Amino acid sequence: ILNVEQSPQSLHVQEGDSTNFTCSFPSSNFYALHWYRWETAKSPEALFVMTLNGDEKKKGRISATLNTKEGYSYLYIKGSQPEDSATYLCAFNQAGTALIFGKGTTLSVSS
Amino acid sequence: EPEVTQTPSHQVTQMGQEVILRCVPISNHLYFYWYRQILGQKVEFLVSFYNNEISEKSEIFDDQFSVERPDGSNFTLKIRSTKLEDSAMYFCASSYPSGGRDNEQFFGPGTRLTVL
Repeated sequence: ILNVEQSPQSLHVQEGDSTNFTCSFPSSNFYALHWYRWETAKSPEALFVMTLNGDEKKKGRISATLNTKEGYSYLYIKGSQPEDSATYLCAFNQAGTALIFGKGTTLSVSS
Repeated sequence: EPEVTQTPSHQVTQMGQEVILRCVPISNHLYFYWYRQILGQKVEFLVSFYNNEISEKSEIFDDQFSVERPDGSNFTLKIRSTKLEDSAMYFCASSYPSGGRDNEQFFGPGTRLTVL
């Protein structure tokens, strides 16, 4: 059974802190790794789709890295702001298969 | 910016009743998906749909479930006889094939289904 694990399950940081979360996935037959940002009552919003080992992607203060050989991805948020508060989901798929999601990391940023 | 929409936002039904959840995918997208998230659990894939037929489905998507694209804009999920355990948030998503691995799926805001 393919499984995606995310850690931590939740965390609470102060405004201005930098933080990072982990997504672990099966390293065999890797195809793509997706990061989503999901705010309550809104649609999950795609942050990154990563496909190559060693990939690093950046969008503003958020960046992500990918290691397909060992099966993990890190999401980094630099200088967290209250508007970054959300659940961050990662999802993985092998070629020709559906996305398999982790449970998410819920981030709360206090001002 | 184009977005995926879903109606209703919340549906309450009695056990055994049929429900239809509706989605309007982004207009030029070709792949359509349904996912669900039971409270406290992971988002789970149900089904994908392409070229007017199911392309992949999970074990969850049994004979009680069906999907349809009735008019070229709507994409529906029907549950024939709802069970208590069908209570979940149901998400629709759509994508346009990029030709590469970086095929991004765009999600709707979800329909919360409560079965009493």
